[in-house]
Amino acid sequence: GENVEQHPSTLSVQEGDSAVIKCTYSDSASNYFPWYKQELGKGPQLIIDIRSNVGEKKDQRIAVTLNKTAKHFSLHITETQPEDSAVYFCAATSDYKLSFGAGTTVTVRA
Amino acid sequence: NAGVTQTPKFQVLKTGQSMTLQCAQDMNHEYMSWYRQDPGMGLRLIHYSVGAGITDQGEVPNGYNVSRSTTEDFPLRLLSAAPSQTSVYFCASTERGNTEAFFGQGTRLTVV
Repeated sequence: GENVEQHPSTLSVQEGDSAVIKCTYSDSASNYFPWYKQELGKGPQLIIDIRSNVGEKKDQRIAVTLNKTAKHFSLHITETQPEDSAVYFCAATSDYKLSFGAGTTVTVRA
Repeated sequence: NAGVTQTPKFQVLKTGQSMTLQCAQDMNHEYMSWYRQDPGMGLRLIHYSVGAGITDQGEVPNGYNVSRSTTEDFPLRLLSAAPSQTSVYFCASTERGNTEAFFGQGTRLTVV
């Protein structure tokens, strides 16, 4: 099955700086790569996703890049704000069964 | 707009007890799944369903049963609770493959 590794496990950034989270996957059949944000006491919520036919996607301060050859994808958050503090999960799938990374706890310092 | 609703939000069980975690969605999604979340391990798939009457095992199915008699409901049953099942459980629904999964608010289960 699919194996997704995520780094770093914790990330502390100064407000206004950028944050980058990296993931690798093992199954070359995976073609859908979503990123979820989980706030304390809540369920994960999709923030951005990318499909295998696209190398990069951007939505305001959030961007995701995908390198299918190297089997890795990354989340970039620019101009971080206090409300960006949360746990972020990457995932990969070729159908509807998501395989998740272990998560990154992001703390934005004021 | 309810989305995915899970009940209860919190539960404490004694070892050996059984219980059912409820999950309902009102989006007419075909795919539903159960995950457990443990510290440092992300979310792991327990069971999933691709439609009413169809269920299958995920990565960590032992000790859990599911059924899908309707499109809306996908309950998760713990047959005989063990301390290793202490976790946060999330139910999710997806309209079709390779699209956004919508998660419930979670059930925090403690087995003593």
